[in-house]
Amino acid sequence: EPEVTQTPSHQVTQMGQEVILRCVPISNHLYFYWYRQILGQKVEFLVSFYNNEISEKSEIFDDQFSVERPDGSNFTLKIRSTKLEDSAMYFCASSDPHRVDSNQPQHFGDGTRLSIL
Amino acid sequence: AQRVTQPEKLLSVFKGAPVELKCNYSYSGSPELFWYVQYSRQRLQLLLRHISRESIKGFTADLNKGETSFHLKKPFAQEEDSAMYYCALKSFGNEKLTFGTGTRLTIIP
Repeated sequence: EPEVTQTPSHQVTQMGQEVILRCVPISNHLYFYWYRQILGQKVEFLVSFYNNEISEKSEIFDDQFSVERPDGSNFTLKIRSTKLEDSAMYFCASSDPHRVDSNQPQHFGDGTRLSIL
Repeated sequence: AQRVTQPEKLLSVFKGAPVELKCNYSYSGSPELFWYVQYSRQRLQLLLRHISRESIKGFTADLNKGETSFHLKKPFAQEEDSAMYYCALKSFGNEKLTFGTGTRLTIIP
């Protein structure tokens, strides 16, 4: 069964540095998502991406964050000038483009644990 | 605004006993509801969606619009059911999933 893959599994970064989290969505999916989960808290939606542009974003997704589809397979989340409170598990997800409004599930990756020092 | 509430952070049940994981939601329109499961060291996986009205691994969940609930049930718990369970809501025409805080289910042998 195809899977969403994320790299790295764990990223340690100094506060103030930029970090890029990478995701390879399932190949025939065209909707992509980023979620985050701060330790002990709920999974929170950050952003969704379709047709090479952001389709929806949460209030968490401020100017510090950006997403990109640099080629035909990768989907990245960039965090500029990281802060301590950015430490969290970041999950990428993708879904089938023809059925996003028909209750088809979002498929999640294993996540990247981001630790800001 | 939409919200999902899972009142139990932790739930321990003996093997063979019935399981019920509670989920309540707050949303003014017609929601689409899901249960996701996360086994130890594994990714979030879809377990159930209300529109399918299916039973997966012995689990069922019924959407009760009057009580705004979508509780997850299984009549006889198995050890392999130990995991983190998340209830999630999606509004029609909207892409994001709104998750509850999750319930860690532990099955006691």
